[in-house]
Amino acid sequence: LAKTTQPISMDSYEGQEVNITCSHNNIATNDYITWYQQFPSQGPRFIIQGYKTKVTNEVASLFIPADRKSSTLSLPRVSLSDTAVYYCLVGFTGTASKLTFGTGTRLQVTL
Amino acid sequence: GAVVSQHPSRVICKSGTSVKIECRSLDFQATTMFWYRQFPKQSLMLMATSNEGSKATYEQGVEKDKFLINHASLTLSTLTVTSAHPEDSSFYICSASRQGKGYEQYFGPGTRLTVT
Repeated sequence: LAKTTQPISMDSYEGQEVNITCSHNNIATNDYITWYQQFPSQGPRFIIQGYKTKVTNEVASLFIPADRKSSTLSLPRVSLSDTAVYYCLVGFTGTASKLTFGTGTRLQVTL
Repeated sequence: GAVVSQHPSRVICKSGTSVKIECRSLDFQATTMFWYRQFPKQSLMLMATSNEGSKATYEQGVEKDKFLINHASLTLSTLTVTSAHPEDSSFYICSASRQGKGYEQYFGPGTRLTVT
């Protein structure tokens, strides 16, 4: 399983765009990149998944460069409720692969 | 869709007793379920992988005789913490993979276990 590296923490003001970058230098050809959000005392929640280039859904965008050795989760106009821990994971989507969680990024949004 | 529930959400038990935690996939069949443990301010640590109808696969360092896992149906997996001790107090989270979408895992809300 590819190891991921993320910043331990980030701070932002409400209304700003937040970009969290994750590096995964040994990502395999079949690996997808998935981001999860976790609030205290809750299970992680799926945010977005991608393989290459850019993926966008109603809550976030995921940017993946051509070499796929990193990815950036972009949260537009964050609010206080976006304060959470964000995890980047890589793995193969074809089978029920076990997930290895890294340290995650603790995002703190303030007024 | 893809909802996973856990029961109970919180449990307090005395040292030496056993506690069972249930994980259910409510609207899909899960051939594989995973159990994680999370200590305060730390990341999730995978404990075991549970496949329906077969024995669970435990991660290194996890005692299989202490953490009993049963996956009797495509919608239910249980984790039993036997002879619980205060150091077993933690947040236990399960996840389920939907058949055909292996890497999209859906997580339960977690169970807070406190052993006194």
